[in-house]
Amino acid sequence: DQQVKQNSPSLSVQEGRISILNCDYTNSMFDYFLWYKKYPAEGPTFLISISSIKDKNEDGRFTVFLNKSAKHLSLHIVPSQPGDSAVYFCAACETQGAQKLVFGQGTRLTINP
Amino acid sequence: DGGITQSPKYLFRKEGQNVTLSCEQNLNHDAMYWYRQDPGQGLRLIYYSQIVNDFQKGDIAEGYSVSREKKESFPLTVTSAQKNPTAFYLCASSLRLGWNTGELFFGEGSRLTVL
Repeated sequence: DQQVKQNSPSLSVQEGRISILNCDYTNSMFDYFLWYKKYPAEGPTFLISISSIKDKNEDGRFTVFLNKSAKHLSLHIVPSQPGDSAVYFCAACETQGAQKLVFGQGTRLTINP
Repeated sequence: DGGITQSPKYLFRKEGQNVTLSCEQNLNHDAMYWYRQDPGQGLRLIYYSQIVNDFQKGDIAEGYSVSREKKESFPLTVTSAQKNPTAFYLCASSLRLGWNTGELFFGEGSRLTVL
């Protein structure tokens, strides 16, 4: 069973526009969420995180929104740049439980010039 | 430079052979992890270790083995019992296992192909 789901395998956005990547989870015990970015043939790198006590966290061009009632989070990138083209993984963690990260399937974002 | 080094980057193996993937970190992290990436399935946890001489099975441990004899090293052996070993393998570490260290630092990965 997939506890963290990214239902869009790919997304294409024009440079300068907003990119919105979505992630849904089923485990209500998850209370810490992260986004990782991955280029081909490289390991993922940490991008941004959010605790369940917040509904928004912003870091430069990147903002993560959390909707606990819908068990949904999203990553907004604005403005999108060509260097943002990568695979983005959503991950979730039970801070009071297993404390292991559970990853989604990833969304491949392509920024078109 | 602090970081995680995985080797080899590419590896080919014949069916029935065991193969060991190396993972070394100089970040002084207590916790280390092995993940497997397959297309459309995200990252799945194979094994993890919280401390030297201790390790735990992840979600897909069958056909794999690990050791943690040194803090810096967490090698993964893909045995002949692993039915579908062709994949991209990622090693990661964190300061310790716990919610406030949910951020993982990843190596560059090892791509294993079984011929």
